[in-house]
Amino acid sequence: EVQLVESGGGLVQPGGSLRLSCAASGFTFSDHYMDWVRQAPGKGLEWVGRIRNKGQSYTTEYAASVRGRFTISRDDSKNSLYLQVNSLKIEDTAEYYCARDLQRGEAFMDAWGQGTTVTVSS
Amino acid sequence: DIQMTQSPSSVSASVGDRVTITCRASQGIGTSLGWYQQKPGKAPNLLIYAASSLQSGVPSRFSGSGSGTDFTLTISSLQPEDFATYYCQQAKAFPLSFGGGTKVEIK
Repeated sequence: EVQLVESGGGLVQPGGSLRLSCAASGFTFSDHYMDWVRQAPGKGLEWVGRIRNKGQSYTTEYAASVRGRFTISRDDSKNSLYLQVNSLKIEDTAEYYCARDLQRGEAFMDAWGQGTTVTVSS
Repeated sequence: DIQMTQSPSSVSASVGDRVTITCRASQGIGTSLGWYQQKPGKAPNLLIYAASSLQSGVPSRFSGSGSGTDFTLTISSLQPEDFATYYCQQAKAFPLSFGGGTKVEIK
């Protein structure tokens, strides 16, 4: 069974940092591109970023709203995905989901974690 | 960047109804369009990819169509478990983008 389990969320002050993790199991993690998607309370989905696999040199893409503040990384030996979030703003408050790429040649997400909550508040 | 606009933002329907949700892209995206279902407190679930391909395990009452800028998700006969919010997502170019969502409510 494919499983993605996020952790690392919490309450942080504006300007603070967190490292979110996503533990993957039930599939060959190293083969897949992976995404982070967030959802502010009561709002819609917002794509955060993507990391490709080793074959694509672990290249990354980011939304403009987080570029330069957020960094996606992965450790294939640990089947884990990470999101380092720095210089946090109030508007970064959201549920953060990790998601797996469908592997059909286009960027669709076919498996999602349950989410981890990040609250930015003073 | 490609903007995705969904309509309506909400729809009230009864079990057994046919429901249609539309999604419009701000520029042509071919068939690089997906649809997701999200229930309250849960993660999204992929229903349709490449505009009309049904994801494995998704009931056949869900179907997608369209190309270019205009797309449609149709639920042929609404079931109780289908009351949820639906999002479209373009996969043509980065940054990826989602529509604002359509909430399907019980009439």
